[in-house]
Amino acid sequence: GAVVSQHPSRVICKSGTSVKIECRSLDFQATTMFWYRQFPKKSLMLMATSNEGSKATYEQGVEKDKFLINHASLTLSTLTVTSAHPEDSSFYICSARDRSRGGEKLFFGSGTQLSVL
Amino acid sequence: GENVEQHPSTLSVQEGDSAVIKCTYSDSASNYFPWYKQELGKRPQLIIDIRSNVGEKKDQRIAVTLNKTAKHFSLHITETQPEDSAVYFCAASNAGNQFYFGTGTSLTVIP
Repeated sequence: GAVVSQHPSRVICKSGTSVKIECRSLDFQATTMFWYRQFPKKSLMLMATSNEGSKATYEQGVEKDKFLINHASLTLSTLTVTSAHPEDSSFYICSARDRSRGGEKLFFGSGTQLSVL
Repeated sequence: GENVEQHPSTLSVQEGDSAVIKCTYSDSASNYFPWYKQELGKRPQLIIDIRSNVGEKKDQRIAVTLNKTAKHFSLHITETQPEDSAVYFCAASNAGNQFYFGTGTSLTVIP
């Protein structure tokens, strides 16, 4: 399947700092990427849809100013958690659609475990 | 928006038995239904998918069925093996514009 790379895999930071997470499609172009948040033993909660060259679409209840998304190219989307606080600690995972391989297939990055002290 | 429900939340089966996981969705516009397997600390992996114009799809020990009228779809795993133990997620998508996931099923296959 298609490869989606996500970095970093783990971040530990102090409260109040900002953290940037990168999501790259390595062997295909992704006009759309999705960002999810996952709590331990819980499902994937869609946070926002990242569209190349335009503003991201956020799900209800997700703060746009808190979770900044930039999709600057067809292979890169970034999620910045601004002024992180302990309640932002979670597993963040991105995904991208590979439209060239059957259209709808969605592939995931390896996730980022964020711990805010 | 779409609402995907998944049952059961946990499932234990003896090795060699079958496992069935069921999902329902609410948005009739959804037309693509993938299933993902997620092992602890790893990324979800696509294991099988089905489009709304198909009622059933099979890939070796894994099969998925879809009932559009009732808005439900199911994952069937036959001859289960210990390595099938993981969390399984169903999802519904409207032409891939957005994907909404079920709450997950933790499957344990007992040797």
